[in-house]
Amino acid sequence: SQTIHQWPATLVQPVGSPLSLECTVEGTSNPNLYWYRQAAGRGLQLLFYSVGIGQISSEVPQNLSASRPQDRQFILSSKKLLLSDSGFYLCAWRLAGGRETQYFGPGTRLLVL
Amino acid sequence: RKEVEQDPGPFNVPEGATVAFNCTYSNSASQSFFWYRQDCRKEPKLLMSVYSSGNEDGRFTAQLNRASQYISLLIRDSKLSDSATYLCVVTHTGGGNKLTFGTGTQLKVEL
Repeated sequence: SQTIHQWPATLVQPVGSPLSLECTVEGTSNPNLYWYRQAAGRGLQLLFYSVGIGQISSEVPQNLSASRPQDRQFILSSKKLLLSDSGFYLCAWRLAGGRETQYFGPGTRLLVL
Repeated sequence: RKEVEQDPGPFNVPEGATVAFNCTYSNSASQSFFWYRQDCRKEPKLLMSVYSSGNEDGRFTAQLNRASQYISLLIRDSKLSDSATYLCVVTHTGGGNKLTFGTGTQLKVEL
């Protein structure tokens, strides 16, 4: 069966510091991968998605970037964090093609101070 | 107008009650529909898909009305453990098959 991992689970970072969040998926090949952010009391916002290695689509202009160096690895980064980057970051995967929905990892809770 | 709209609630209901949530979507090209459940400080988890003919999974019934662009979720005999936020989700084909989430409806089941 497929599993999705995210780390770290929680992170407290100062403003202006860099960020790297990692997501890996096991038990499947060539998944579509997604990064979402959920701000406190708000809905999920899609940040990036990828349909293959090295391919990244950005949904909203922001202070973040994403990379997919391997088939089942998806990384969210920032060079300099802003206060507004605080939130709950969720990685999700789905099988490419078909009508399958997405499955989420446990998330990383980021607090920028 | 938001692409997916839900009443945020909270819906406070006694144990054993029947409760219904509604959701409307604006994009008539939406292809697939789902309900997710999100517990406090946890990731969303798929509750059930929503099919045109309507579908049932135990105490949960989901219905879709394409003409009215409306989705519903009915929970019968609600349990304390049903307390959570319920997210209405629609998806479109192409472009990575992106999901669009409603902001969720909060349910609190009380003794």
